[in-house]
Amino acid sequence: DAGVIQSPRHEVTEMGQEVTLRCKPISGHDYLFWYRQTMMRGLELLIYFNNNVPIDDSGMPEDRFSAKMPNASFSTLKIQPSEPRDSAVYFCATQLAANTEAFFGQGTRLTVV
Amino acid sequence: AQKITQTQPGMFVQEKEAVTLDCTYDTSDPSYGLFWYKQPSSGEMIFLIYQGSYDQQNATEGRYSLNFQKARKSANLVISASQLGDSAMYFCAMRGALIQGAQKLVFGQGTRLTINP
Repeated sequence: DAGVIQSPRHEVTEMGQEVTLRCKPISGHDYLFWYRQTMMRGLELLIYFNNNVPIDDSGMPEDRFSAKMPNASFSTLKIQPSEPRDSAVYFCATQLAANTEAFFGQGTRLTVV
Repeated sequence: AQKITQTQPGMFVQEKEAVTLDCTYDTSDPSYGLFWYKQPSSGEMIFLIYQGSYDQQNATEGRYSLNFQKARKSANLVISASQLGDSAMYFCAMRGALIQGAQKLVFGQGTRLTINP
């Protein structure tokens, strides 16, 4: 398996623009997570899905952020409108089942100018 | 609330020496899991090792072992015979058993390990 695949790897956008980050999970993994990494706050969970259903979105910073998982093979994290403080590395991670280890994608480095 | 503390922002070790990275945790969950991840300069997060709170033995994976001391709430990572490729950020993380966010990982701030030749 190719592992968790995220795209794009790097994104530079202007403030106010819509940004969509994409994730293809490892086949057969029931759980999908979106994490954000910043220098100030470290790694923090934004949202996670189980069998395509959002389970915990308490980490989503505000209404500008939304995440979807329309099927078992794809998830998106959308920021609209983007702001400079959204600049971070966004990781997608997937997990085979409950209480197993999470495997991370390579991350998307987002810069909002 | 769950919390992970890594008190060593940076560590420098000579190649081939063993190194211990500290991790303490706080949780009220009776059942939890502890993880270590490695983040090299390329940015990806690599799973290293897992310890369950009810596991009787300390976890080992090749050169990695986890020194789990439940009463002290510590889960230190030990890397034996360090190699130049071990230079990276290392994150300790915990997953609790709370119903809300039961699969959520809570991460420490990380330790930057540098292996000197």
